[in-house]
Amino acid sequence: NAGVTQTPKFQVLKTGQSMTLQCAQDMNHNSMYWYRQDPGMGLRLIYYSASEGTTDKGEVPNGYNVSRLNKREFSLRLESAAPSQTSVYFCAIYRGLTGELFFGEGSRLTVL
Amino acid sequence: RKEVEQDPGPFNVPEGATVAFNCTYSNSASQSFFWYRQDCRKEPKLLMSVYSSGNEDGRFTAQLNRASQYISLLIRDSKLSDSATYLCVVPDQTGANNLFFGTGTRLTVIP
Repeated sequence: NAGVTQTPKFQVLKTGQSMTLQCAQDMNHNSMYWYRQDPGMGLRLIYYSASEGTTDKGEVPNGYNVSRLNKREFSLRLESAAPSQTSVYFCAIYRGLTGELFFGEGSRLTVL
Repeated sequence: RKEVEQDPGPFNVPEGATVAFNCTYSNSASQSFFWYRQDCRKEPKLLMSVYSSGNEDGRFTAQLNRASQYISLLIRDSKLSDSATYLCVVPDQTGANNLFFGTGTRLTVIP
């Protein structure tokens, strides 16, 4: 997906370690999102950013921080990873005209 | 009550069959709806948007029943390539540009 790029694609952490998931878009959209997807739970919103410099909590923000320093990039940080944060994380941009969320390829995180 | 609930599945159907999935939503104020497709270990991708009573795109038909608050997705003449998980999606009506996703219905088309 040239539009939304996530890194890393795979990561294994030990409990208590920290890491940052990076997301960058080249589609010039204002709104960016971080979701997590767990079996039987569907996609759940962690944080979103309506524009550069603004962020808001979603449904499941606990244990995460985000940063939107510029229009292109929206990062998600786990300060002290827990096994409950084992999940697949998706970054997305919102295409307002179509009401569509356009996703990155996902980042698979395992916390041991 | 969850904002969006879907048929649990899985659905296993032979090639050429017609299959339908249902999805119910809780907020009667919802005006637009979406079906996303997600292949195994891939990201979700928009399949269809539904803004009025329904939408048709080739073999795929989405229908909306506002009175009963459900959306259906009908797939005719199923292909092996239709095997995927189908997510029912409803926008958040609180003003945030967010979408609520159902847990998905898994479809396997069998040769």
